[in-house]
Amino acid sequence: GAVVSQHPSWVICKSGTSVKIECRSLDFQATTMFWYRQFPKQSLMLMATSNEGSKATYEQGVEKDKFLINHASLTLSTLTVTSAHPEDSSFYICSARDMAGTAYEQYFGPGTRLTVT
Amino acid sequence: AQKITQTQPGMFVQEKEAVTLDCTYDTSDPSYGLFWYKQPSSGEMIFLIYQGSYDQQNATEGRYSLNFQKARKSANLVISASQLGDSAMYFCAMREGRSTGNQFYFGTGTSLTVIP
Repeated sequence: GAVVSQHPSWVICKSGTSVKIECRSLDFQATTMFWYRQFPKQSLMLMATSNEGSKATYEQGVEKDKFLINHASLTLSTLTVTSAHPEDSSFYICSARDMAGTAYEQYFGPGTRLTVT
Repeated sequence: AQKITQTQPGMFVQEKEAVTLDCTYDTSDPSYGLFWYKQPSSGEMIFLIYQGSYDQQNATEGRYSLNFQKARKSANLVISASQLGDSAMYFCAMREGRSTGNQFYFGTGTSLTVIP
């Protein structure tokens, strides 16, 4: 099946620094990628929809200036957490739609665990 | 209103027995898709099964089947012959409309523990 990778798989950073998380579709092209955040023992919450070549669409309550999303190519979307704080510590998961796949196929990355100290 | 409701925070099942995980959904869109994902402790979301709103028959994938009751707006997951490796979080999700760009709505999940 299609593979989506995320890098890094885990990261620890100091408060006030910025962290970039990459999401790549390895063997298919994706015009749309989604970024989710998941707190421990909770569900996935959609943060934003990333569209190749255009601005991301953010969900209500998500600060677009804090969570910068760039979808520069059909296989890569990045999420940058700027000026990270401990409350940003979470599990971040991306997913991607295969342009050539069936209507329902969506593939998830393995996630990135961010810890802000 | 919640788009997806999973009312069982935790479930236990004996190994080799069948278990049903409940999921109800809310939408006014006639076209939608329902999904179940498994999330083990590693965090990866593993796709299990899909049911389209216009599908006439319940979806099945190996030991997984989806009990789709459209009038009741329920899409329960049935796992037959449970295995120890089935212990994980299970999420029900829905996508509305036919657009491939539409977002998923996830339920709060059910933690399944398979007892040997």
